[in-house]
Amino acid sequence: GNSVTQMEGPVTLSEEAFLTINCTYTATGYPSLFWYVQYPGEGLQLLLKATKADDKGSNKGFEATYRKETTSFHLEKGSVQVSDSAVYFCALRDNTGNQFYFGTGTSLTVIP
Amino acid sequence: NAGVTQTPKFRILKIGQSMTLQCAQDMNHNYMYWYRQDPGMGLKLIYYSVGAGITDKGEVPNGYNVSRSTTEDFPLRLELAAPSQTSVYFCASRQGQGVTDTQYFGPGTRLTVL
Repeated sequence: GNSVTQMEGPVTLSEEAFLTINCTYTATGYPSLFWYVQYPGEGLQLLLKATKADDKGSNKGFEATYRKETTSFHLEKGSVQVSDSAVYFCALRDNTGNQFYFGTGTSLTVIP
Repeated sequence: NAGVTQTPKFRILKIGQSMTLQCAQDMNHNYMYWYRQDPGMGLKLIYYSVGAGITDKGEVPNGYNVSRSTTEDFPLRLELAAPSQTSVYFCASRQGQGVTDTQYFGPGTRLTVL
């Protein structure tokens, strides 16, 4: 079946530190992969996506590369800001293109 | 544009009561989704729809029903509420095609069943 596993949180970093949030997946066929961000009290927003192997998604300084050989889609940012504090979810869209599967989320707090 | 709207924002139900969570989108999207988010957990898909008149079960459909009579609306019905249905419910929509295809989420409904 389809599933997403992402690193446990919470993660606390100082401003300007390097961020990595690990995400691995299990899926049949060739899923599309996503990172979503959720700010307190809000719904999820798309952060970035990749639709095929070796694609790199990027947005607002965040990057993730679709690695089929390691079934991974790790999220990285070179220098985090206080405003990046949020919960980050890794997700895949299945082979049918209809259903999405989410990881459990990783809470990030950035301190000044 | 309002995007995806959900009502109510909060609701407390007693065990055995029923209610309908409303979801509407004004983007003419084909696909609509209902998810639940339990504390410390990711989102689980309850039901989805690929167009008016078409619905299908997701991972956790038991205890819920949906209908999609129009493109805009996708209500979620809870019959005989149980404490296990205490959760935050998110509705989402997407066009379903094109390079900009992405899910847009509503603000959520926080439901407590006592």
